[in-house]
Amino acid sequence: EAQVTQNPRYLITVTGKKLTVTCSQNMNHEYMSWYRQDPGLGLRQIYYSMNVEVTDKGDVPEGYKVSRKEKRNFPLILESPSPNQTSLYFCASSDLKGMYNSPLHFGNGTRLTVT
Amino acid sequence: QKEVEQNSGPLSVPEGAIASLNCTYSDRGSQSFFWYRQYSGKSPELIMFIYSNGDKEDGRFTAQLNKASQYVSLLIRDSQPSDSATYLCAVYGSGGYNKLIFGAGTRLAVHP
Repeated sequence: EAQVTQNPRYLITVTGKKLTVTCSQNMNHEYMSWYRQDPGLGLRQIYYSMNVEVTDKGDVPEGYKVSRKEKRNFPLILESPSPNQTSLYFCASSDLKGMYNSPLHFGNGTRLTVT
Repeated sequence: QKEVEQNSGPLSVPEGAIASLNCTYSDRGSQSFFWYRQYSGKSPELIMFIYSNGDKEDGRFTAQLNKASQYVSLLIRDSQPSDSATYLCAVYGSGGYNKLIFGAGTRLAVHP
């Protein structure tokens, strides 16, 4: 089954404790992206990657890191989480073959709480 | 001004009615437009996309695009309680297809 898999689904942590949210897709998509979703603000892009070893900042990259060493994986790293990073996070991928007509395929989300 | 704006709702319609969801965007160079449905606590799922002016129909759903007015809408015919969800409008802007820009969503409630 074609899918984007995120882990964990739920995570509660404390301020300053490094964490990684994993994302993996099995569709051989070149493009992957991380979004956070907050009430009233919608989905905001954190980082994206157009291909292996190619990553770039989105609209809200502060406090986050990413890496793209393999095509299928795109982990999101919070080196020193803070309470304002409490949010619902989504990983997404696309093949971009249709360019502007290529939809995003989303993972199931990770609900992160930082206390 | 937000890049993609939607009325947050809730939009309440009776079962069997037509639900009309609206979205405006600020970037006149925007290329294509997507509608996603998101149930509470779940991930967004694609309903349909449109890139040419006019209407595009898919089952009970019709997307309408008016680039001159920078306006895109989604009509849901014969609304069902299972359509109750948040509907997200998303746009590829003129900045490229590296970022799909989302509105904050409209919550739709279909009551029996």
